[in-house]
Amino acid sequence: LAKTTQPISMDSYEGQEVNITCSHNNIATNDYITWYQQFPSQGPRFIIQGYKTKVTNEVASLFIPADRKSSTLSLPRVSLSDTAVYYCLTGSGNTGKLIFGQGTTLQVKP
Amino acid sequence: NAGVMQNPRHLVRRRGQEARLRCSPMKGHSHVYWYRQLPEEGLKFMVYLQKENIIDESGMPKERFSAEFPKEGPSILRIQQVVRGDSAAYFCASSPGLREFANTEAFFGQGTRLTVV
Repeated sequence: LAKTTQPISMDSYEGQEVNITCSHNNIATNDYITWYQQFPSQGPRFIIQGYKTKVTNEVASLFIPADRKSSTLSLPRVSLSDTAVYYCLTGSGNTGKLIFGQGTTLQVKP
Repeated sequence: NAGVMQNPRHLVRRRGQEARLRCSPMKGHSHVYWYRQLPEEGLKFMVYLQKENIIDESGMPKERFSAEFPKEGPSILRIQQVVRGDSAAYFCASSPGLREFANTEAFFGQGTRLTVV
């Protein structure tokens, strides 16, 4: 399973767009890229998943360049309630072992 | 359709006691996964079970920890003779299948916070 690297923390203000980039230089051909969000005292919650190019849902967008060695989670117009830890994961679907790194702690300020 | 239910939410045990953590998967889900999260760290895989079978326990400590998922009832993570280092949040997740868990949305419970005093 590919190791991922993300910034430890980020600060933003309400209404801004936030982009969190994750590096996964050793991503395997079959690996998907998945992002989870975790609030204090809660379990992780799925945000978005992609394989290549761009994926968008009602919550976020995920940008994946052609070489797939990195990905960027984009949160449009964040609010205070988006303050959480965001995890980037890669996996091939052949195991139940999701590998969570330290994640990125996003602090949204008023 | 209720989500993944874990209980208790908080559990305090004295050193040497046993801790039993329960996880009821979502309806229709037959695959259960346990993860442990130490303070300020990400989640670490412990064990993956299907009904009446342990599929992968490579993340479980060799001693004192065990898990089961019986044909009827919740999955149980059991920690015998707890020590202070066992204090952590334990999360359970479920899915209808392995492929769904790893490739799509995985559903996690709210966790059980174990404190060993």
